[in-house]
Amino acid sequence: GEDVEQSLFLSVREGDSSVINCTYTDSSSTYLYWYKQEPGAGLQLLTYIFSNMDMKQDQRLTVLLNKKDKHLSLRIADTQTGDSAIYFCAERTGTASKLTFGTGTRLQVTL
Amino acid sequence: DTAVSQTPKYLVTQMGNDKSIKCEQNLGHDTMYWYKQDSKKFLKIMFSYNNKELIINETVPNRFSPKSPDKAHLNLHINSLELGDSAVYFCASSPTSGGSNTGELFFGEGSRLTVL
Repeated sequence: GEDVEQSLFLSVREGDSSVINCTYTDSSSTYLYWYKQEPGAGLQLLTYIFSNMDMKQDQRLTVLLNKKDKHLSLRIADTQTGDSAIYFCAERTGTASKLTFGTGTRLQVTL
Repeated sequence: DTAVSQTPKYLVTQMGNDKSIKCEQNLGHDTMYWYKQDSKKFLKIMFSYNNKELIINETVPNRFSPKSPDKAHLNLHINSLELGDSAVYFCASSPTSGGSNTGELFFGEGSRLTVL
């Protein structure tokens, strides 16, 4: 199957770390992605990880992949108000062109 | 210098009408897509074209007809609009050639369709 699940909502204080979680069911995923959607805008790629990696770090972003548990997480260090948005994980399986998106997590950053 | 541009950004219309949304990308990509995002923000692929050829056609009513006149354009025509068609429709593109294809999608800003 191609179900990708995320928690709906996360609230953090400015300066704290945010951790957004994602679970997927298709073990043949090749790439996994994190996208950010700000209000009224399209999705922008934040980062991606290849399925043979466990971790990827990119400035304030850290992606962890646990293939055994089919679990992907995105950690945002020193969360800022500008990080408030909806975050989508996505997996690429089978057809190279097709990405399956998660349900999205709305991140709210409070002062 | 918008990479993926969609028109119109907003569209309000009556049930039963026919409408089109247009998409253009200037990234030189081979593959283009239409995604639908519903009111709960759930994003689902509808169609994908590679070099003007349809390669993905998910379970979508045949009232929806995509058309790709060239690899830089992908339009979506919807006949006999229904209330449930109200959503934000996103166009996207991706490069597919080359050994380092990571499958990244580049999205347009979306076209919000409201059917009354």
